[in-house]
Amino acid sequence: AQKITQTQPGMFVQEKEAVTLDCTYDTSDPSYGLFWYKQPSSGEMIFLIYQGSYDQQNATEGRYSLNFQKARKSANLVISASQLGDSAMYFCAMRRGAAGNKLTFGGGTRVLVKP
Amino acid sequence: GAVVSQHPSWVICKSGTSVKIECRSLDFQATTMFWYRQFPKQSLMLMATSNEGSKATYEQGVEKDKFLINHASLTLSTLTVTSAHPEDSSFYICSIQGISDTQYFGPGTRLTVL
Repeated sequence: AQKITQTQPGMFVQEKEAVTLDCTYDTSDPSYGLFWYKQPSSGEMIFLIYQGSYDQQNATEGRYSLNFQKARKSANLVISASQLGDSAMYFCAMRRGAAGNKLTFGGGTRVLVKP
Repeated sequence: GAVVSQHPSWVICKSGTSVKIECRSLDFQATTMFWYRQFPKQSLMLMATSNEGSKATYEQGVEKDKFLINHASLTLSTLTVTSAHPEDSSFYICSIQGISDTQYFGPGTRLTVL
């Protein structure tokens, strides 16, 4: 069975600083996808970044980058230059196999950005 | 990305009544939609995978007769919570499988059963 683990239930970060959110996964499938979503207090799930298991380079999207360490089975999210609007829950998720398959979510990490 | 809407955004109902939640893909034809449930301070749990024109695939432990899913078109899937009880109170979120291998989520529906 596949499993996603986020070990940090919550963390504070100073505005303008970088923060790293941990995510480890467990799967025996060679093909999988890793996602990060942001969930503000409004409840909507906002897609941030995606990493495919065969991607050679770490994914980046603006201030978001994914530190993909395949051998360690980790996919940490790095948010650079934190902003107050980054305060939210962050979920790591994994899709096993081909596109169209279901996602399994980690427990989430709550980030609070301090001014 | 893809734009997904849900209606209603919140609903309060009496115990024993049925509630229908709509999930619409506004700019993408979605052959597959997913329904999730999220309890307070918890993560998302997949309830079922909704396939256009066929029966939904339910996750283990989800009662298909209680959570009826209809995916009648490429832009609309509905979740009906039948004979709702207070323990069904939750945040229900749908998603669609869009292009570039990503699921895009609706804004969610908060259900409160009294």
